[in-house]
Amino acid sequence: NAGVMQNPRHLVRRRGQEARLRCSPMKGHSHVYWYRQLPEEGLKFMVYLQKENIIDESGMPKERFSAEFPKEGPSILRIQQVVRGDSAAYFCASSPAGAGNQPQHFGDGTRLSIL
Amino acid sequence: GENVEQHPSTLSVQEGDSAVIKCTYSDSASNYFPWYKQELGKRPQLIIDIRSNVGEKKDQRIAVTLNKTAKHFSLHITETQPEDSAVYFCAAGGTGGFKTIFGAGTRLFVKA
Repeated sequence: NAGVMQNPRHLVRRRGQEARLRCSPMKGHSHVYWYRQLPEEGLKFMVYLQKENIIDESGMPKERFSAEFPKEGPSILRIQQVVRGDSAAYFCASSPAGAGNQPQHFGDGTRLSIL
Repeated sequence: GENVEQHPSTLSVQEGDSAVIKCTYSDSASNYFPWYKQELGKRPQLIIDIRSNVGEKKDQRIAVTLNKTAKHFSLHITETQPEDSAVYFCAAGGTGGFKTIFGAGTRLFVKA
């Protein structure tokens, strides 16, 4: 049973470009979470999604950032017009139904570097 | 809003000693408390979790205690080994779509 799959593992973008980060949850998991981690810091919640629904996006910046989890395919975290401050590791996690009180399983993350 | 505080931020122990990491949470609706271990450059991995209907849970050298009245929970690692060196995160979650809030992490160094 494959775990949470994130791609790409590393992504380099120039300022002003778009970054798309993908996350395929574990089989049978319908809840996806995105977190941002700066070096030497903790996991900052960004957004929580179920299939075709955004449940909580309170941790996501109001501009340039968006997330989706379509009926088919992976969850996508999209960052438009990237800036240097967007450089970070972005982790995706998934859990089965009943999120909040279920273990979250993390992917290996995407390390985003902005030139 | 919801908040989880974690202490200490850094902990250094001698191999074989015990390590204790403490967390407090703010939202009384929280009823699920996982702990994650993250090695350098790797994904966070769940090492143990506890639900609010129990006060203590143990898995080999790792134990977690929960005091719901005080909104406090702790991770205890006994007989520490160099491979226990990592960053440890506590978290608090609840039911019905309530998101999980993570502590800021504790960097544990186990000296051989």
